[in-house]
Amino acid sequence: ETGVTQSPTHLIKTRGQQVTLRCSSQSGHNTVSWYQQALGQGPQFIFQYYREEENGRGNFPPRFSGLQFPNYSSELNVNALELDDSALYLCASSLGTPGFGDTQYFGPGTRLTVL
Amino acid sequence: RKEVEQDPGPFNVPEGATVAFNCTYSNSASQFFFWYRQDCRKEPKLLMSVYSSGNEDGRFTAQLNRASQYISLLIRDSKLSDSATYLCVVNINTDAGKSPFGDGTTLPVKP
Repeated sequence: ETGVTQSPTHLIKTRGQQVTLRCSSQSGHNTVSWYQQALGQGPQFIFQYYREEENGRGNFPPRFSGLQFPNYSSELNVNALELDDSALYLCASSLGTPGFGDTQYFGPGTRLTVL
Repeated sequence: RKEVEQDPGPFNVPEGATVAFNCTYSNSASQFFFWYRQDCRKEPKLLMSVYSSGNEDGRFTAQLNRASQYISLLIRDSKLSDSATYLCVVNINTDAGKSPFGDGTTLPVKP
């Protein structure tokens, strides 16, 4: 519907492992943001990429890292997984230059469970 | 204090009723405001942007009060299909990339 896809849909990992989540933005959308949403809470901003460079970061440790590629895809990498990392991870793409209030189009999310 | 705060609900709303809820924000430099709707276990989807003059889309009306730093959403003639969590988003363009979400107001509409 939004033209934003994410993979995988669900993932189960154990504490200490590493994970890579993927997002494919709408074609032409130069900005992608990643969010973590724990149960019962709103999405928490992890970071944003604009034209393949990080453009802002929320209060997440360095073990959360990302990449954006020229083909409008992006990745979220999380190292040394902790139990509290269990959440829904959402990516959102937008068309314009960050900071001008563009509509964000969300992907369906990846539900990560850390055991 | 959180940057964006919402009443968590749930607001138990009978079908056909009118309901309103607010979202307060702490940064007076905020410039762009949105309401998103999130259905259970789904992604958020834009419901409407909130303009300074207020705006209306069918049964939904959004208002911005800069002096008191809150936005509101009013839903008239509630439908069962309005049952969802409503998230407000505040865009602070001086803080590159950051768009804080509230934790959402849950709205179950009952027959």
